[in-house]
Amino acid sequence: DIQMTQSPSSLSASVGGVVTITCRASESMRNYLNWYQQKPGKAPKLLIYAASTLQSGVPSRFSGSGSGTDFTLTISSLQPEDFATYYCQQSYRTPLTFGGGTKVEIK
Amino acid sequence: EVQLVESGGGLVQPGGSLRLSCAASGFTVSSDYMSWVRQAPGKGLEWVSLIYSGGSTYYADSVKGRFTISRDNSKNTLYLQMNNLRPEDTALYYCAREYGSSCDSRTSPLCHFDSWGQGTLVTVSS
Repeated sequence: DIQMTQSPSSLSASVGGVVTITCRASESMRNYLNWYQQKPGKAPKLLIYAASTLQSGVPSRFSGSGSGTDFTLTISSLQPEDFATYYCQQSYRTPLTFGGGTKVEIK
Repeated sequence: EVQLVESGGGLVQPGGSLRLSCAASGFTVSSDYMSWVRQAPGKGLEWVSLIYSGGSTYYADSVKGRFTISRDNSKNTLYLQMNNLRPEDTALYYCAREYGSSCDSRTSPLCHFDSWGQGTLVTVSS
């Protein structure tokens, strides 16, 4: 199984700040990597697929990069509505696997 | 508009069974790739099972042999039959559509969960 390791598990940031979340895969998986945002009591929402393609309707302050085993989600100017938990997910092979999540909190 | 509505969750004793349903609208379940994903209270997301448009099914090791995914094309509904439930199966269960091309062969990086239901809560406790 492909293990997905996210870091950090939580972070505090200010509105307007830049946030970077890392996801590392246990084996190379090209760009088969998706990012989701989840707010309390809500279902996950797709942000980015294929490592760097922004889902329709998602603000451009979200961006993704990486290939192989190392991937990054960046929020360029954090907004109040961005405080949430973020998950990476690999679609390279079954079993599909998620990272453990990164909770972004207000500083 | 794509919509997924789960139902069937509840409180069940260890060793018991439940069948979850996911009613879909706005697309055809049998033509797409459908999964169940669960989230234990306060924990992260865990993929549970999927069914491809061709009918192939896959399971996480943690549920293999106990859970069965299926669909009813006439009702456009996805199911998860859960048997021999354990306390560690306690979670909010989401159904999700995996959108993209060639997701069944895993030859495209474009596959992703684009639509999710609101979830149905399963609690396994005596």
